[in-house]
Amino acid sequence: GEEVAQTPKHLVRGEGQKAKLYCAPIKGHSYVFWYQQVLKNEFKFLISFQNENVFDETGMPKERFSAKCLPNSPCSLEIQATKLEDSAVYFCASSRHEGGSQYNEQFFGPGTRLTVL
Amino acid sequence: RKEVEQDPGPFNVPEGATVAFNCTYSNSASQSFFWYRQDCRKEPKLLMSVYSSGNEDGRFTAQLNRASQYISLLIRDSKLSDSATYLCVVKGKSGGSNYKLTFGKGTLLTVNP
Repeated sequence: GEEVAQTPKHLVRGEGQKAKLYCAPIKGHSYVFWYQQVLKNEFKFLISFQNENVFDETGMPKERFSAKCLPNSPCSLEIQATKLEDSAVYFCASSRHEGGSQYNEQFFGPGTRLTVL
Repeated sequence: RKEVEQDPGPFNVPEGATVAFNCTYSNSASQSFFWYRQDCRKEPKLLMSVYSSGNEDGRFTAQLNRASQYISLLIRDSKLSDSATYLCVVKGKSGGSNYKLTFGKGTLLTVNP
């Protein structure tokens, strides 16, 4: 597609429940990124993929968070046993290429708002 | 020290005003610099890249000073539609990561009629 698609738009979970978020990158984009935005606009990089391979997972919490990008499927971000502090908007972005150049623009999806009660 | 720091704001200005946003970054190896705009908890959208020589796009002017590790955004003749949160974003290798985007906290701008 022409835009990054994310589902669901909103997700409500009780503490301890599992949450799974999905992202379909723009067609032709090889790189997918996940970011977490909590209150006060703090964006945190979580993980990135080059096709189905993990490109950079330095921001990913070691426990409870996992992510995948499988061929012919939307990418997913899964949180096992959610906690209150996981409440945030999770944005997915995609880019055609990667590297330090400013020409490798990342296009963001509309986000999934996760609320953990 | 935060990797990317911005004016905390918020800024409230009348239509037609000129407003400037400032940003500093701590990683001297940063390679690319951007201003993003985010409306009311929607997704961030690229406003403009920031080039070493400075660049202008209509009413918007961005400047980069690599020696001072400082980035700025100037908006002239502000419009009501400029009301948004402006995010300073830096790209580079950091802490073992590959070319991640690092965001400032953002500065909220409200343009009043």
